[in-house]
Amino acid sequence: EIVLTQSPGTLSLSPGERATLSCRASQSVSSGYLAWYQQKPGQAPRLLISGASSRATGIPDRFSGSGSGTDFTLTISRLEPEDFAVYYCQQYGSSPWTFGQGTKVEIK
Amino acid sequence: QVQLQQWGAGLLKPSETLSLTCAVYGGSFSGYYWNWIRQPPGKGLEWIGEINQSGSTNYTPSLKSRVTISVDTSKNQFSLKLSSVTAADTAVYYCARRLGSNPWDIWGQGTMITVSS
Repeated sequence: EIVLTQSPGTLSLSPGERATLSCRASQSVSSGYLAWYQQKPGQAPRLLISGASSRATGIPDRFSGSGSGTDFTLTISRLEPEDFAVYYCQQYGSSPWTFGQGTKVEIK
Repeated sequence: QVQLQQWGAGLLKPSETLSLTCAVYGGSFSGYYWNWIRQPPGKGLEWIGEINQSGSTNYTPSLKSRVTISVDTSKNQFSLKLSSVTAADTAVYYCARRLGSNPWDIWGQGTMITVSS
């Protein structure tokens, strides 16, 4: 089973700042099958990024993903008020599909 | 616009069987994998298992002995049964779909399941 470790656990930033979230895998993620999701309280997760770097339909271009192998990054170029939420990475290259523990982006 | 609508009993006693159903509206049922994921209160996401229209299943090893996912293609529905529940199974349960080598793009609204004596 691939274990995903996200860092930091919490990121305290102000609107307009840049957010950089990390996801490290315990072994190489097959074919870059790494996704990022955003979750707000009381809501289901929303797909942001698939294939490590491809934005899902309707996702603003301030969200970008990068990385390969075992190290992946989600960057939010300029935080908008609606971006404060919890972000999860997930690998879907090797069953069982697994999630990271999440990074909370909170308002400073 | 594809929507997933899920339902099931929200309060269970220890040792009972959890039962949830998810219906697919507004889109094709075929060609996708239909998934169940859960999230304990205040914690992260855990994938439970998936099924395709042919009934082929894939479960996470830690729950495999207690989980059954089934499909009813005539109703565009799929279901989750989790037997012998304990307090550790208390969580919000989500249904979701994925297409081939793609992640989960459509999710249900979530159902809170509480296990308590």
